[in-house]
Amino acid sequence: GAVVSQHPSRVICKSGTSVKIECRSLDFQATTMFWYRQFPKQSLMLMATSNEGSKATYEQGVEKDKFLINHASLTLSTLTVTSAHPEDSSFYICSARGGAVNTEAFFGQGTRLTVV
Amino acid sequence: EDQVTQSPEALRLQEGESSSLNCSYTVSGLRGLFWYRQDPGKGPEFLFTLYSAGEEKEKERLKATLTKKESFLHITAPKPEDSATYLCATTGFQKLVFGTGTRLLVSP
Repeated sequence: GAVVSQHPSRVICKSGTSVKIECRSLDFQATTMFWYRQFPKQSLMLMATSNEGSKATYEQGVEKDKFLINHASLTLSTLTVTSAHPEDSSFYICSARGGAVNTEAFFGQGTRLTVV
Repeated sequence: EDQVTQSPEALRLQEGESSSLNCSYTVSGLRGLFWYRQDPGKGPEFLFTLYSAGEEKEKERLKATLTKKESFLHITAPKPEDSATYLCATTGFQKLVFGTGTRLLVSP
């Protein structure tokens, strides 16, 4: 299957600072990328969807000014958590899709963010 | 609104004890149904895509089937390494809608 690389895998930051997470599709062009948040023993919660070169579409309840998403190229999307607080601590996962709506998306390894 | 419900929430099997996981869905115009496997602390790993009722896909000990209302993931003679959370998802207009998953534990 296709490979999606997400970095860093773990990050600890101080409250009030910003953290950037990168998501790269290594062997295909990702026309659409998704960002999820996952709480312990729960399913994936979609945060936003982005298409290359367009502004991200955020799900209801997700603060766009706090979670900045950039999809500057067909192989790279970034999620920046701005002014992080302890409640932002979570597991963040990206996924990328290279084809039409009915094709599979491939996931990165996830990033464990801890805000202290 | 599209909905995906998975059952059971958790399943414990003995090695070699075959079983099935269920994924019921309500989608206006199904475009695709996907199965993923997720290990603790990792992102989901793609397993199968199913598009139409009657379709089946197989990979090693896993077989996925699809009807108009649900999908099953059959696990034949599971091994401890099959222990994971199995997620089902369907397509909406653009995004995937995930179920809450089935946590499978296979004991030796």
